[in-house]
Amino acid sequence: EIVLTQSPATLSLSPGERATLSCRASQSVSSYLAWYQQKPGQAPRLLIYDASNRATGIPARFSGSGSGTDFTLTISSLEPEDFAVYYCQHRSNSPRTFGQGTKLEIK
Amino acid sequence: QVQLQESGPGLVKPSETLSLTCTVSGGSISNYYWSWVRQPPGKGLEWIGYIYYSGSTNYNPSLKSRVTISVDTSKNQFSLKLISVTAADTAVYYCTRGGGTLDSWGQGTLVTVSS
Repeated sequence: EIVLTQSPATLSLSPGERATLSCRASQSVSSYLAWYQQKPGQAPRLLIYDASNRATGIPARFSGSGSGTDFTLTISSLEPEDFAVYYCQHRSNSPRTFGQGTKLEIK
Repeated sequence: QVQLQESGPGLVKPSETLSLTCTVSGGSISNYYWSWVRQPPGKGLEWIGYIYYSGSTNYNPSLKSRVTISVDTSKNQFSLKLISVTAADTAVYYCTRGGGTLDSWGQGTLVTVSS
């Protein structure tokens, strides 16, 4: 099973700042990595698929990069609605696994 | 825009079977993979397994001995059965579209395992 480790666990930033979230895989997942956003009481929402492709309707301030074992989700300028928990997930093999999440909170 | 809606009992007794159904609207269940994901209260996400509309399945090994996912294309639904549940199976259960990338999610349904 591929283990995904996200860092940091919590990130405290202010609106307008740049956020950089990391996801590291225990073995290569090629580019088969997705990022999801989850707000309290809501289902996760797909942001990025295959490492760098924005899902339908996702604002351009969200971008993804990386391949192999190291991946990054960047939010270029934080909006108030971006404060949430973010998960990475791979589809390289079975079982699909998720990272433990990064909580992005308002500073 | 496809929509997914989970339905089923919110309370299940220990050792019994958890059964949930996901109804897909706004699109056909055909030609897609469909997954179940769960999230214990206050914790992270766990992939349970997926089914292709034709019926082929893939389960998380950690749950494989207890899980069955099935599909009913005539009703545009797919279902989850989890046998011999314990308190550790208490979670919000989500149905999703996709077998790898999960691009649409239901709102989730909380299932509590308790006597």
